[in-house]
Amino acid sequence: KAGVTQTPRYLIKTRGQQVTLSCSPISGHRSVSWYQQTPGQGLQFLFEYFSETQRNKGNFPGRFSGRQFSNSRSEMNVSTLELGDSALYLCASSWRTGGYEQYFGPGTRLTVT
Amino acid sequence: GQQVMQIPQYQHVQEGEDFTTYCNSSTTLSNIQWYKQRPGGHPVFLIQLVKSGEVKKQKRLTFQFGEAKKNSSLHITATQTTDVGTYFCAGSEQAGTALIFGKGTTLSVSS
Repeated sequence: KAGVTQTPRYLIKTRGQQVTLSCSPISGHRSVSWYQQTPGQGLQFLFEYFSETQRNKGNFPGRFSGRQFSNSRSEMNVSTLELGDSALYLCASSWRTGGYEQYFGPGTRLTVT
Repeated sequence: GQQVMQIPQYQHVQEGEDFTTYCNSSTTLSNIQWYKQRPGGHPVFLIQLVKSGEVKKQKRLTFQFGEAKKNSSLHITATQTTDVGTYFCAGSEQAGTALIFGKGTTLSVSS
């Protein structure tokens, strides 16, 4: 079974721009969660989608948004990028919503200059 | 809100020594999970504990869930260089809620 895939793997953007990241979950998994990983803060939960509905949300500003499509693929959007948004963005899929074992993708490394 | 804390933040050991990382939650957890992230890699699920006082073993790794379901530990016996990486614990307060990760313990092993 293919693992979680994320595109693009690397991205360089300028402050003020917006960015869209994509995640394809493991086949059959309907839950997709997004995390931001930085050296100082570890893994911080952004949000989780299940069956195209946002089920859980972390403490991030409204500039961070997401959506899920009927095929369970998910996108995450960050608008008005700030330098502090530079991080590794990890997507994880699971067969159930909320608190079940997560299968992570390789991540998208975002650098904001 | 729910907080999950891990100690120590870093640990260096000689190959063959034991290693333990501890995880403490500010609230009672419905379950605790452990993940390992190798340098340059992504977190990989190791195990989930659900019951109070539960102990599970995977070869040289022993995982424990506290009686009060607010703490957990991961113990590695006789570390090897392949054990290098960051170990994260993660828990959720109740089924259906988000998984909150600790900041991890980074293990380095010298041969």
